[in-house]
Amino acid sequence: GAGVSQTPSNKVTEKGKYVELRCDPISGHTALYWYRQSLGQGPEFLIYFQGTGAADDSGLPNDRFFAVRPEGSVSTLKIQRTERGDSAVYLCASSFSGGVTDTQYFGPGTRLTVL
Amino acid sequence: AQKITQTQPGMFVQEKEAVTLDCTYDTSDQSYGLFWYKQPSSGEMIFLIYQGSYDEQNATEGRYSLNFQKARKSANLVISASQLGDSAMYFCAMQTGANSKLTFGKGITLSVRP
Repeated sequence: GAGVSQTPSNKVTEKGKYVELRCDPISGHTALYWYRQSLGQGPEFLIYFQGTGAADDSGLPNDRFFAVRPEGSVSTLKIQRTERGDSAVYLCASSFSGGVTDTQYFGPGTRLTVL
Repeated sequence: AQKITQTQPGMFVQEKEAVTLDCTYDTSDQSYGLFWYKQPSSGEMIFLIYQGSYDEQNATEGRYSLNFQKARKSANLVISASQLGDSAMYFCAMQTGANSKLTFGKGITLSVRP
């Protein structure tokens, strides 16, 4: 079946602009995660959805970052007033139910560049 | 808090030889899962292998095996019969029963020489 997909694959924006990054998880997966990966580092957790609700948003760096998953499938990560420090690869992952034994499968990522 | 430590510098291995990539972890949770992912230069994060904290046998998946030593809190990845396509960044990660997020290490770069 289809894996996790993310759009766009690349996004270049100017400082201060608003961006939306989209994630389409594996069909039937109730758990969805967003991570951010800076160059040369491991991914860092941003937010976790179980169904439509954000079960853990402790990784969001500040209130410029927001994410939604209104129908329990597709999710959108929204970044307001972008800053150069937001430049990174944003990875989305999904798992069957979010359990400790569930494997998270990742999408190809969105490379965000803030000029 | 959970922590994953990967301290090896870039690793090199000759094609067809075996290589071990080290990972140590720290958590106070009794229930947790350990994962290894491969990230080639293309950037995709590919799941390789999983080990549960209650699993008594070491996990194996084809050429990948996980050397799980619970008392030492280590979960080393062993790749047998290395191939040129194994050249990539490798991440160890942990997920605990207390929360569902993955905590990643900094990764190890593996280069396979022909």
